Amino acid sequence: AQSVTQLDSQVPVFEEAPVELRCNYSSSVSVYLFWYVQYPNQGLQLLLKYLSGSTLVESINGFEAEFNKSQTSFHLRKPSVHISDTAEYFCASKGGTSYGKLTFGQGTILTVHP
Amino acid sequence: DVKVTQSSRYLVKRTGEKVFLECVQDMDHENMFWYRQDPGLGLRLIYFSYDVKMKEKGDIPEGYSVSREKKERFSLILESASTNQTSMYLCASSGNRAANQPQHFGDGTRLSIL
Repeated sequence: AQSVTQLDSQVPVFEEAPVELRCNYSSSVSVYLFWYVQYPNQGLQLLLKYLSGSTLVESINGFEAEFNKSQTSFHLRKPSVHISDTAEYFCASKGGTSYGKLTFGQGTILTVHP
Repeated sequence: DVKVTQSSRYLVKRTGEKVFLECVQDMDHENMFWYRQDPGLGLRLIYFSYDVKMKEKGDIPEGYSVSREKKERFSLILESASTNQTSMYLCASSGNRAANQPQHFGDGTRLSIL
């Protein structure tokens, strides 16, 4: 069975500082990886995804994640965060043979302080 | 844009009641999912459905059942609600059976069982 581990439950950071949210997944023959973001009182929104090809994927709001097969990691980074990035972030994986079932990590609460 | 609509944002029920949570998607997606979200545990899959009248157990199906009579609608049923089912419930859908399709989420139903 797939498993996803987010290594930090909470990450506090000051505005304009860089941030990294860590995610490790269990190895699989083929795997698709996702980062979702959940703002307060809302559902999850897809932030970015890795399916194949370039190991570095980017979102429209400045986040990026790098697929590292040797370390089975998919860490999320942003060079300069804003107050509006305060949210909970979920890493998720999906095996190649499932009916689209996602396995989620435990979530990381990112709090950006002024 | 994909729209996944959950019928209630907040719901309060009593122990022993039968509870229905409704979810509708407007993108003709084959796959639909019900998760519960609890602090520190991330999202856990309760049930999913890959076609009308088809259902599969997820990781924590005990105490729940589902119904999918129409492609766009997926209902979660708590047969006899208990206080440990107090949680945030999230519905999601995804297109076709390819594993690389992302899931789209509703805004969630925060259910309290008293």
